Amino acid sequence: AQSVTQLGSHVSVSEGALVLLRCNYSSSVPPYLFWYVQYPNQGLQLLLKYTSAATLVKGINGFEAEFKKSETSFHLTKPSAHMSDAAEYFCAVSGASAGNMLTFGGGTRLMVKP
Amino acid sequence: GAGVSQSPSNKVTEKGKDVELRCDPISGHTALYWYRQSLGQGLEFLIYFQGNSAPDKSGLPSDRFSAERTGGSVSTLTIQRTQQEDSAVYLCASTRKGQGAPTGELFFGEGSRLTVL
Repeated sequence: AQSVTQLGSHVSVSEGALVLLRCNYSSSVPPYLFWYVQYPNQGLQLLLKYTSAATLVKGINGFEAEFKKSETSFHLTKPSAHMSDAAEYFCAVSGASAGNMLTFGGGTRLMVKP
Repeated sequence: GAGVSQSPSNKVTEKGKDVELRCDPISGHTALYWYRQSLGQGLEFLIYFQGNSAPDKSGLPSDRFSAERTGGSVSTLTIQRTQQEDSAVYLCASTRKGQGAPTGELFFGEGSRLTVL
């Protein structure tokens, strides 16, 4: 069984500041980890994914995430926030076995102040 | 179309009525998923289709919920005797992966927002 915890349902940063969205997971098998972004009134869009290759994963729009097995974490970062980054971000985990679904965290709404 | 298409985009219904939500996945995607997104909640898995069969329907919240998929393409999620707690956004996603373990990307539709009065 897998689970995901996203610390902070709301995060507010100033434009140009560092973005850090936290994700911790629990998995009984080697995990695949994902970050998705949901802009208002839109579906979810994949930002990046970890599938047991490099532990530092780079995604779209300047985001990256680092897989830390010892901390069971997969935090999402971006060096400099832009107004267009305002959205809801979801961390998700999947086990490597067939038929295993994506389990999502509760989401973090990122607000960017001018 | 190029993406996952869901209809209706918005549905308002009265408590006790039945509703049908439709999902048209990306052409060639064999796996199809339904998720529910309630206000302030994350995404809750409902059911997964591989082709026309549903190997995992463990997330359906009650027997009022059912889903089918025909022709390995369009899927319909049906909610009978709707209750106010069914109000949510119902999201559909598809992927080409044959085994259901999404090591690749899930492609999501924009969702169907259901409001039960």
